[in-house]
Amino acid sequence: EDQVTQSPEALRLQEGESSSLNCSYTVSGLRGLFWYRQDPGKGPEFLFTLYSAGEEKEKERLKATLTKKESFLHITAPKPEDSATYLCAVQGGATNKLIFGTGTLLAVQP
Amino acid sequence: NAGVTQTPKFRVLKTGQSMTLLCAQDMNHEYMYWYRQDPGMGLRLIHYSVGEGTTAKGEVPDGYNVSRLKKQNFLLGLESAAPSQTSVYFCASSYSGARRYSEQFFGPGTRLTVL
Repeated sequence: EDQVTQSPEALRLQEGESSSLNCSYTVSGLRGLFWYRQDPGKGPEFLFTLYSAGEEKEKERLKATLTKKESFLHITAPKPEDSATYLCAVQGGATNKLIFGTGTLLAVQP
Repeated sequence: NAGVTQTPKFRVLKTGQSMTLLCAQDMNHEYMYWYRQDPGMGLRLIHYSVGEGTTAKGEVPDGYNVSRLKKQNFLLGLESAAPSQTSVYFCASSYSGARRYSEQFFGPGTRLTVL
């Protein structure tokens, strides 16, 4: 059964304190791993897609990496505006469906 | 472009009432999806559509029906609402299901409370 587990559930950082969020997955034939950002009361906002182990993508202070079992979202020198819930999802096998994790709630304090 | 829009934004129903949630997208996407999001459960797929006139069941389809009469619209219906359907509902769309075009874009959500 395809499954996505995100850790930690919640993370509190000081502004400028770099850290990483983890997304571990089991899926039959990974077609894509997706990272989304979700602000309170809003819909998920697409950040990255990763397709193959070893792939990396960057956007501002965020960098996503992928291995055969997990993905990391690295946040470098975070700012308070980076505070949000970060969701990970996988698409596997012959399906177009996404399987979502429950997210990591990130709070960055000034 | 407005992207993906949803109406209404909020709704309160009594048990047994019916309602329809409307999703519209202006990106000419073929695929559309309805999810529900509950605390501690993550996003769960209710129904989806791979093109105009087609629909398919997702992970949690019971108690919901959908229709895709026009490519840009995807409707989610609740025929007889139950308190267990209290949730936040998100619509999403994607260009296709193919490997490099399958990122989904989400609407702002509808918060539904069933009393």
